[in-house]
Amino acid sequence: GAVVSQHPSWVICKSGTSVKIECRSLDFQATTMFWYRQFPKQSLMLMATSNEGSKATYEQGVEKDKFLINHASLTLSTLTVTSAHPEDSSFYICSARDGTGRNTEAFFGQGTRLTVV
Amino acid sequence: QKEVEQDPGPLSVPEGAIVSLNCTYSNSAFQYFMWYRQYSRKGPELLMYTYSSGNKEDGRFTAQVDKSSKYISLFIRDSQPSDSATYLCAMGGNNRLAFGKGNQVVVIP
Repeated sequence: GAVVSQHPSWVICKSGTSVKIECRSLDFQATTMFWYRQFPKQSLMLMATSNEGSKATYEQGVEKDKFLINHASLTLSTLTVTSAHPEDSSFYICSARDGTGRNTEAFFGQGTRLTVV
Repeated sequence: QKEVEQDPGPLSVPEGAIVSLNCTYSNSAFQYFMWYRQYSRKGPELLMYTYSSGNKEDGRFTAQVDKSSKYISLFIRDSQPSDSATYLCAMGGNNRLAFGKGNQVVVIP
């Protein structure tokens, strides 16, 4: 299957700082990328959907000014957690869809474990 | 009604048993269906992908789709402790993609 690379796999940051997470599609063009958040032993929670070259669509209750998403190219989307707080500590996962076909499956990155201290 | 319904479990089975998972959906525009497996602290990995109603087999895994009932299933035969994970269903169509909440499975040795 296609490869989606997410970086970093884990990060620890101080409260009040910002953290950027990268999601890259390595062998296909991803016109759509999804960002999820997952708390321990809970299911994936969709945060936002981003389409290359346009603004991300955020799910209800997700602060767009706090979770900045940029999808500037067909192979890269970034999620920046701004002014991080301990309650932002979570597992963040991206997924990407191949844009060459109309109906295609999504592939997930390895996830990023964020710990805010 | 949610677009995709999946019972989160957890589901515990003894080693060697058949694991049966299912999802229902409400959007008749969905045309293709997937199952993902997620181990703890890892990203989900694609297990099965199918377009049509009926069964698709891959080793010990069988994906079943019933479009008329808007119901999909995943069966795991001869379950192993290594199958212990969370399984997510997903479905798409008309450029939309929706995921179930995931079902935690525990295979007891």
